[in-house]
Amino acid sequence: EVQPVESGGGLVQPGSSLTVSCVAAEFTFSDYWMSWVRQTPGKTMEWIGDIKYDGSYTNYAPSLKNRFTISRDNAKSTLYLQMSNVRSEDTATYYCTSLDIGSNFAYWGQGTLVTVAS
Amino acid sequence: DVVLTQSPATLSVTPGERISLSCRASESVGTYLHWYQQKPNESPRLLIKFASQSISGIPSRFRGSGSGTDFTLIINGVELEDLSIYYCQQGDNLPRTFGSGTRLEIK
Repeated sequence: EVQPVESGGGLVQPGSSLTVSCVAAEFTFSDYWMSWVRQTPGKTMEWIGDIKYDGSYTNYAPSLKNRFTISRDNAKSTLYLQMSNVRSEDTATYYCTSLDIGSNFAYWGQGTLVTVAS
Repeated sequence: DVVLTQSPATLSVTPGERISLSCRASESVGTYLHWYQQKPNESPRLLIKFASQSISGIPSRFRGSGSGTDFTLIINGVELEDLSIYYCQQGDNLPRTFGSGTRLEIK
């Protein structure tokens, strides 16, 4: 089963920064647009943003674009999500996914839980 | 933003039943509507793409239909393993949005 592997979650204090990562070694990472999607404890799904296969273009959810940054390193088959000035409402499981033609999410990681609390 | 409204929020069914889950979009998304299944303690998985296209490895009892603003996921003969939350997602417009999900309970 093709499944990216996220890491970097944990307990963080409000106002701090955190970077989560995703290694996608089981498919040709550099051929794919990639996305981050998060799921709140209440099971609400929220799209965060996408990055083009070569890293030259990104899309973001308007409510998050000022605090979240998506980047990638194709040589390491790794996707990153930098979060700054985190808030309690950022508490969620963060998934990395592939973004396919038609903008569906085909391959999902197992997720990494980020908890924002003091 | 395109708002996706899923109904019902929860559905309790008996194994073997044929059921329909609804997803309505606040504006037309053509057929850029995709369905996901999330089993307890698992990641979501793509179930149906482009409203009605099947996905390799997904049982044939799962079917999708619709276009524009009204979409339906049909499960022909629910099985115990179908206990999940089902989400729809639109890929026609930014921001990409999800419905709030339908939780399927098996009696």
